[in-house]
Amino acid sequence: SSELTQDPAVSVALGQTVRITCQGDSLRSYFASWYQQKTGQAPLLVIDGQNNRPSGIPDRFSGSSSGNTVSLTITGAQAEDEADYYCNSRDSSGNPTYVFGTGTKVTVL
Amino acid sequence: EVQLVESGGDLIQPGRSLRLSCATSGFTFDDYAMHWVRQAPGQGLEWVSGISWNSAYIAYGDSVKGRFIISRDNAKNSLHLQMNSLRPEDTAFYYCAKDTTYYHSSAYDSWGQGTLVTVSS
Repeated sequence: SSELTQDPAVSVALGQTVRITCQGDSLRSYFASWYQQKTGQAPLLVIDGQNNRPSGIPDRFSGSSSGNTVSLTITGAQAEDEADYYCNSRDSSGNPTYVFGTGTKVTVL
Repeated sequence: EVQLVESGGDLIQPGRSLRLSCATSGFTFDDYAMHWVRQAPGQGLEWVSGISWNSAYIAYGDSVKGRFIISRDNAKNSLHLQMNSLRPEDTAFYYCAKDTTYYHSSAYDSWGQGTLVTVSS
């Protein structure tokens, strides 16, 4: 199975912009989604495979892709954005299996 | 309001079996694929299994293939995970998640609160 690699942790000053990246060979062929998970809570979809935001997700969250890398950008980070973020995409094996990224802890300073 | 409620988590010995269930409401269940995702305490998310709206397409992660069986009952709006030959490394919170499409995708827009499975002697 393929792997999706993320930086373990990033920090951002309140109101500034942070980009979280996810790298993997399967991303050259398949879309990725992004999830936010706060401590003790279930994950929350923030960007779907079409780089769309589900209803209720602030427009400061955006997604993009290039080659084997997908990115989640938070423009004007807020204190409530402090959380773990995971990408998810289809495995490159050819079967409809999926793999989550290793996760990035975002700290808002 | 979409609701997903998992049940069936327990403390269980290695080698035994356990069946998880996910009761759903607030959406047309048989319009969507469903998934199980797990998370070991303090660790990241791991996709476990997915099933299409009509059960025609089923897939498993490598770590559970051959041991776990996913199923759904569209008449009862419920999702299940039969877990056999459990191992200590299966210890995790197990989440039920609703796909955004009828087939499979990487986008899961509703999640339950999870049920804890602890495999230990």
